[in-house]
Amino acid sequence: QVQLKESGPGLVQPSQTLSLTCTVSGFSLTSYSVHWVRQHSGKSLEWMGRMWSDGDTSYNSAFTSRLSISRDTSKSQVFLKMNSLQTEDTGTYYCASGGRYFDFWGPGTMVTVSS
Amino acid sequence: DIVMTQTPSSQAVSAGEKVTMSCKSSQSLLYSENKKNYLAWYQQKPGQSPKLLISWASTRESGVPDRFIGSGSGTDFTLTISSVQAEDLAVYYCEQYYDTPYTFGAGTKLELK
Repeated sequence: QVQLKESGPGLVQPSQTLSLTCTVSGFSLTSYSVHWVRQHSGKSLEWMGRMWSDGDTSYNSAFTSRLSISRDTSKSQVFLKMNSLQTEDTGTYYCASGGRYFDFWGPGTMVTVSS
Repeated sequence: DIVMTQTPSSQAVSAGEKVTMSCKSSQSLLYSENKKNYLAWYQQKPGQSPKLLISWASTRESGVPDRFIGSGSGTDFTLTISSVQAEDLAVYYCEQYYDTPYTFGAGTKLELK
């Protein structure tokens, strides 16, 4: 049974760095990609980037300069780090598995950027 | 980036009604080599994460009721719910995966009339 679960700090101060973890089960990170998708409250979805099964990464150019995705295959975890956070980065962050579309999603973790 | 435009933004429906919603892309999502349309539909209920309903414009995921029908090709796509049920009240998003960045429409919200 495929499962993904995001975890993170909940509250981040402006200009600081956001660190999120996606822990997966039911599949191997060396077989399937994991993506990060963001949703502002009440708004649509925004693809941020992906960790490919071979360890390569792809990013949405809207985030390239401040976004980094990495993984620890031994722990079945994928990490998101995004620096220079602003209030407009407030939202729910999801990790999702899939090739180009998203088969399975985590429940999401809400991040508020505020001092 | 490919822009996805969904209409209407919201729709009030009654149980049993047939519902159609539109998704248009700023460029064709039809890949000539395999004749596949790189479009997916998702359903998001309040407080939940999105759920994949349809991929390749018309292929229903396992377990998705057959009242959900995806159609269209190129730049124009439609999601039809043949007979709306109460549990279908949600926001529906289309997503193009033809090219990165993968992009979503703004959504169509189904509400109760």
